[in-house]
Amino acid sequence: DTAVSQTPKYLVTQMGNDKSIKCEQNLGHDTMYWYKQDSKKFLKIMFSYNNKELIINETVPNRFSPKSPDKAHLNLHINSLELGDSAVYFCATQAGGEDTQYFGPGTRLTVL
Amino acid sequence: AQSVTQLDSQVPVFEEAPVELRCNYSSSVSVYLFWYVQYPNQGLQLLLKYLSGSTLVKGINGFEAEFNKSQTSFHLRKPSVHISDTAEYFCAVGRGGYQKVTFGTGTKLQVIP
Repeated sequence: DTAVSQTPKYLVTQMGNDKSIKCEQNLGHDTMYWYKQDSKKFLKIMFSYNNKELIINETVPNRFSPKSPDKAHLNLHINSLELGDSAVYFCATQAGGEDTQYFGPGTRLTVL
Repeated sequence: AQSVTQLDSQVPVFEEAPVELRCNYSSSVSVYLFWYVQYPNQGLQLLLKYLSGSTLVKGINGFEAEFNKSQTSFHLRKPSVHISDTAEYFCAVGRGGYQKVTFGTGTKLQVIP
């Protein structure tokens, strides 16, 4: 049973479209994150939620909107996709008071 | 603010040879330090972490790292690498709890048969 899962694994779409990526965890962790990894493998935090509340919001275009319907899910919606949004997006979780983050397998987004 | 520097973007090494991957950090407060590994087309997984206590930390797959406060370093070592160690390795720094963890730019370890 996968601890942190993401759907879809691959997403190819045209510029200007709106798309969503979903993340689900069965670890019971309080905190969930979205990271963006670019083509040079640079990993940058985008958002984090703790118990469905937004606690970290880095400098990310407002075309990106995270939504946490419950503690086990954190989705990422992206409006008006641009070429520069092409990257691998990782979801991660962290238990309360524990520092290790557990990463999902990633979603490779390609914007044409 | 905190930051992490991984000086080597790629490290080629022959199988069964030792390896050291370098990591330096900067922070104005006490930090926690991590090494994560990313195998091709996978997410990151924790190799080891330093929170407090002994400065020599042992992790999975035979890796270890030493926290050196005076040199602000947390270098990762393995005495004998295997082909399966070929991966991207990320050093990271955090301040605990729900504070942001900052990742380095990664070091690609290429093990040559």
